[in-house]
Parts: sequence; C-alpha cells; structure tokens
Amino acid sequence: AQSVTQPDIHITVSEGASLELRCNYSYGATPYLFWYVQSPGQGLQLLLKYFSGDTLVQGIKGFEAEFKRSQSSFNLRKPSVHWSDAAEYFCAVGPGGYNKLIFGAGTRLAVHP
Amino acid sequence: KAGVTQTPRYLIKTRGQQVTLSCSPISGHRSVSWYQQTPGQGLQFLFEYFSETQRNKGNFPGRFSGRQFSNSRSEMNVSTLELGDSALYLCASSSGTSGHNEQFFGPGTRLTVL
Repeated sequence: AQSVTQPDIHITVSEGASLELRCNYSYGATPYLFWYVQSPGQGLQLLLKYFSGDTLVQGIKGFEAEFKRSQSSFNLRKPSVHWSDAAEYFCAVGPGGYNKLIFGAGTRLAVHP
Repeated sequence: KAGVTQTPRYLIKTRGQQVTLSCSPISGHRSVSWYQQTPGQGLQFLFEYFSETQRNKGNFPGRFSGRQFSNSRSEMNVSTLELGDSALYLCASSSGTSGHNEQFFGPGTRLTVL
C-alpha cells in the first residue's frame, strides 16, 4: 500500500539556521513526490515536485528536496530559515495518471527569532 | 487569475443533518479533487472529478458524495452528519489529470458538527 511517513511532528529552528524535514514513502513504482506548505487558515501551496530526472529539485521560497530511491526518501531542505517559513509542511506521493495525493501527517515548523 | 474558491468558509451543523460544500476551480481547470483534513487522520483524499465524471474515490463511506457541473464547479455532499465529520474540507483544481499537473488548493471549508 502507498504511504508517506514524516517522522518529525514538530521542529523548532532558529532564524537563519538550516532546515531539513524528513519524508519517507512506500510505493511500488516510481512515485510522483511533492512537498506542500500550509500556513494557518490557508490552503496548501506547492513548494516543489519530483517526477523523474535530476534527483535534486529546486522549489519556491528557496526550498530544495532530494529524491533518494535507495532510502525511499524525499527530504526537504532550506539553507537559511526565515521567520515567515513557520508553517506546517506536508510530503505527498501521487500515483501517475491520477490527481490523488497521499499525504504524510505533516511537520509543524516553528522559527525562533 | 482568481484562485480556487470554496464556499462557505465556515459551517456549523448538527448530527444527522446534511451539508453541501461548493468549490469553484481556477478558470480553465477541469479537474477538481476533494480532501478531508482532521487532526487525527490528517489529509485524506475523498474523490476527483474531471469533465463531470468521478475518476477516483477514496476510502470514505457512501454518505460522502460529489458532483461536477459543466462549468467545472464542484460540490460535495455529506449526508447524515456524524461528529467525526468535523474537519477542514479542501478542494484542489488542476489543468490536467495525469498527476504531473500542479494542484491548486482553495482555503477550505471548516465544518463543525455538533
């Protein structure tokens, strides 16, 4: 069965520090992988996506993610966090051919000034 | 270009009632998907519609239903509401159906069942 695991429920970092949010997936074929961000009272915004090709993908707001097939991981990184990055982050996997997304439980990021 | 709009934004109902939520996709988008977000279960896929046809359905009871109109607007209906149906219901629209296309999410409808 397809599933996504985000091991960290809450993460707190200081502004300016680097960030890595973990995501592991279970999927039989090559997955479509996504990272979304949700700010309070808002819908979800796509940060980046991976379908194939270069395993390091760049997204919006300075985020990047690396697909590692051997580890079934798709971790999200940012070299320097800003206070405005405080939000909830969701990793998702999607089967090709459909717009259905399977989400992880999310990681809530807090940023200390 | 206007984003995905959902109405109403907030709704309070009592157990046993039914509710209809509405979603207007981005102009030109023909695919609409619905998701339920709860603290306990997280984000779960409900169904996807394209050109007025349901393409995919999540693991939800038959009380949850939806439809899509010829202008791509979509509605979802929940009958015989239960306390556990309290959730944020998110709608997403996309220009395609292959999974490659970005899904744009609306702000959601917060449903509270008393």
